[in-house]
Amino acid sequence: NAGVTQTPKFQVLKTGQSMTLQCAQDMNHNSMYWYRQDPGMGLRLIYYSASEGTTDKGEVPNGYNVSRLNKREFSLRLESAAPSQTSVYFCASSEWDRGPNTGELFFGEGSRLTVL
Amino acid sequence: GNSVTQMEGPVTLSEEAFLTINCTYTATGYPSLFWYVQYPGEGLQLLLKATKADDKGSNKGFEATYRKETTSFHLEKGSVQVSDSAVYFCALSSEGGGSNYKLTFGKGTLLTVNP
Repeated sequence: NAGVTQTPKFQVLKTGQSMTLQCAQDMNHNSMYWYRQDPGMGLRLIYYSASEGTTDKGEVPNGYNVSRLNKREFSLRLESAAPSQTSVYFCASSEWDRGPNTGELFFGEGSRLTVL
Repeated sequence: GNSVTQMEGPVTLSEEAFLTINCTYTATGYPSLFWYVQYPGEGLQLLLKATKADDKGSNKGFEATYRKETTSFHLEKGSVQVSDSAVYFCALSSEGGGSNYKLTFGKGTLLTVNP
């Protein structure tokens, strides 16, 4: 029961470096999300993908890009990392089919990113 | 826009104490409401949910009632355990366009239960 898998779990970058966070889900969900979690700020939505082939900005998209590679995979890219992007990043997936599990987000374990 | 406000933490209780974590919301339409829990070092997981007014969600001894008249969804537990120590997030669903939905989260409340 893998659920949602994120890699890497930890990463340290220098300002200006780029990197991609990978996310894959094995629950055949249509929707996938990237959130960041910062102390005192809760979870803030960066980007989401309602279905394969679509992506939309969330609350804090600046400095990030995403790719919905296929139904299973949704990656988050930092093109030029900044210290303000130091955070814990969570990928999640969901199905909004109005069935009994509608609205339940399934989260990965998180990726802790530090930008020096 | 939609928003969720939950009580600021941290909350520290002794084992077997009564727990209330307040949550109020602002939303258009008829959102569903959720409580998620995050144990140390883990991702969030759904604790309970309610999809319409007056519904009560319950799980693991926790419960919350969807009160549309007060726009609230307070989390309660009659007797907390050390294992309940975690961060609790209130959230609501909102329509992002078409049939796409997304969740809006509160800032989280850290609960510590001492033996």
